[in-house]
Amino acid sequence: GDSVTQMEGPVTLSEEACLTINCTYTATGYPSLFWYVQYPGEGLQLLLKATKADDKGSNKGFEATYRKETTSFHLEKGSVQVSDSAVYFCALSTRTSGSRLTFGEGTQLTVNP
Amino acid sequence: EPEVTQTPSHQVTQMGQEVILRCVPISNHLYFYWYRQILGQKVEFLVSFYNNEISEKSEIFDDQFSVERPDGSNFTLKIRSTKLEDSAMYFCASTLIYEQYFGPGTRLTVT
Repeated sequence: GDSVTQMEGPVTLSEEACLTINCTYTATGYPSLFWYVQYPGEGLQLLLKATKADDKGSNKGFEATYRKETTSFHLEKGSVQVSDSAVYFCALSTRTSGSRLTFGEGTQLTVNP
Repeated sequence: EPEVTQTPSHQVTQMGQEVILRCVPISNHLYFYWYRQILGQKVEFLVSFYNNEISEKSEIFDDQFSVERPDGSNFTLKIRSTKLEDSAMYFCASTLIYEQYFGPGTRLTVT
């Protein structure tokens, strides 16, 4: 079945450091890929998405590129802020309308001033 | 901006009791979901609901679970006889087509 694997966490960085959170997936067909973020005490928020190979999703300075050849969707940011501290989830869904999301384990990011 | 809401934010119940978790999805959305996250583990899919019936369910969603959309706005998850291992954060989500919007979750504690 479909699965998503994220790099083991937690990740602790200083403000303005570069961030990469690795995500790889296994899926039949060509899934849509997502990054969700969960701030403390809140629900899951969609951060960015990509629906086909070589698409780049971006939002709030975060980027991720859909790489079919390596089945990856790594999350990157050039300069993190304290306010980026949260849990980040990689997820996929098939292209069928309304299909379920399959999540990775989540990566806790802490950014220190 | 429209959002998914869930009540209560925290529910404590005794083992064997029934609980109902409530959600109000975004009003023009067509697909509705329940997910759960046991502390320290992945977010797991439970069930999806479309056109007033279950469209997909996971192996977790056994006979103890049921879902309902009783009045066109609320979407509920019922657990008939709670077990200790049902303790988790339960998230409701909704979508028009692909992008799922999540509520803040209900933390269920079974004692």
